[in-house]
Amino acid sequence: DTAVSQTPKYLVTQMGNDKSIKCEQNLGHDTMYWYKQDSKKFLKIMFSYNNKELIINETVPNRFSPKSPDKAHLNLHINSLELGDSAVYFCASSQATSGPYEQYFGPGTRLTVT
Amino acid sequence: AQSVSQHNHHVILSEAASLELGCNYSYGGTVNLFWYVQYPGQHLQLLLKYFSGDPLVKGIKGFEAEFIKSKFSFNLRKPSVQWSDTAEYFCAVNANWGYQKVTFGIGTKLQVIP
Repeated sequence: DTAVSQTPKYLVTQMGNDKSIKCEQNLGHDTMYWYKQDSKKFLKIMFSYNNKELIINETVPNRFSPKSPDKAHLNLHINSLELGDSAVYFCASSQATSGPYEQYFGPGTRLTVT
Repeated sequence: AQSVSQHNHHVILSEAASLELGCNYSYGGTVNLFWYVQYPGQHLQLLLKYFSGDPLVKGIKGFEAEFIKSKFSFNLRKPSVQWSDTAEYFCAVNANWGYQKVTFGIGTKLQVIP
């Protein structure tokens, strides 16, 4: 069983479209994250949820909206996609928000905006 | 705010050479430290972590790291690299309390030549 899964794995779309990426973890973790990894491999945190509650909201455009229907799921919706949104988006989970708990990453969603 | 510096951005080694990747962090309190590895086309996986006790920690695949508190460093080492170690390596830090995000370094690309 995959611990952290994301769908889709690849997403190719045109500018201006709206798209969603889904993430699920079966580890029983309380905390989930969304990261954006650019072409230079720089990993930037976007959002963090703890038990369905938003706790970290980095400076990302309002076009990005996370939703956590329950603590096992964290979805990312992106409105009005732009070329600069092209990146790999990783979902991750951890047992808690702080402490000696590593993050478990999903396989990533490669988003290409044309 | 915490920060992480990885000084080596791209390292090229021959097989059997020894490896040391530098990582320095800045944070005034107690921290937890992690090294993650990202193999080409894959997601991040934990190599090792430090949170207390023996400052020399051993991880998977023969990697180890030493926490030197006075130097705010957590360097990653491996005595003899293999071609399969070719990957991106990320150092990360989080605080030991509260709702703190994990801060990742910019990553070091390791290329091992057969």
